[in-house]
Amino acid sequence: QEKVQQSPESLIVPEGAMSSLNCTFSNSASQSIWWYQQHPGKGPEALISIFSNGNKKEGRLTVYLNRASLHVSLHIRDSQPSDSAVYLCAAMNYNQGKLIFGQGTKLSIKP
Amino acid sequence: NAGVIQTPRHKVTGKGQEATLWCEPISGHSAVFWYRQTIVQGLEFLTYFRNQAPIDDSGMPKERFSAQMPNQSHSTLKIQSTQPQDSAVYLCASSFRDMYEQYFGPGTRLTVL
Repeated sequence: QEKVQQSPESLIVPEGAMSSLNCTFSNSASQSIWWYQQHPGKGPEALISIFSNGNKKEGRLTVYLNRASLHVSLHIRDSQPSDSAVYLCAAMNYNQGKLIFGQGTKLSIKP
Repeated sequence: NAGVIQTPRHKVTGKGQEATLWCEPISGHSAVFWYRQTIVQGLEFLTYFRNQAPIDDSGMPKERFSAQMPNQSHSTLKIQSTQPQDSAVYLCASSFRDMYEQYFGPGTRLTVL
């Protein structure tokens, strides 16, 4: 059974600084890794996904995937108070549509 | 595009009663997923449909839980004889195809007294 673990559990970052979130997964054959953002009382919203080893950049977001170490990280440049939310890492395996989620990282951006 | 619609947003039931949760996926999406979210367990997969056919129900509790998708515009999750441990936010998501981005609804918060 695929397992996804996230660290840290919570993170406080000053406005304008870089936020760095980590995730490890248990199955090196995981097809793709997704990062979702969830605000209180709302459903999760996809931010960025990565399929291949290496990195991917979209706007202020950069994600790094290392399949050998089963590790993925999300970095948010120039963090804003509106980035305050819970960030969920999820793995999707080949030919299985379901997402396996980590427990989340609560990010708070201090003005 | 209204996104994924879930009704009701909140439901309170007494122990032993039945609860039916509704989901309307985004038009044109062929895959529909149900998840459950609690503080302790986090966000857990329950079941999913592709083109209305059940594909994977590996996360569904074997007793009391059932899901259906009678047509392409809605899916239901039914919980019989609800128990306090069923209290959670139940999330529905849809995607254009399997393994594409999943769009989540706002969830139904179920409270079993």
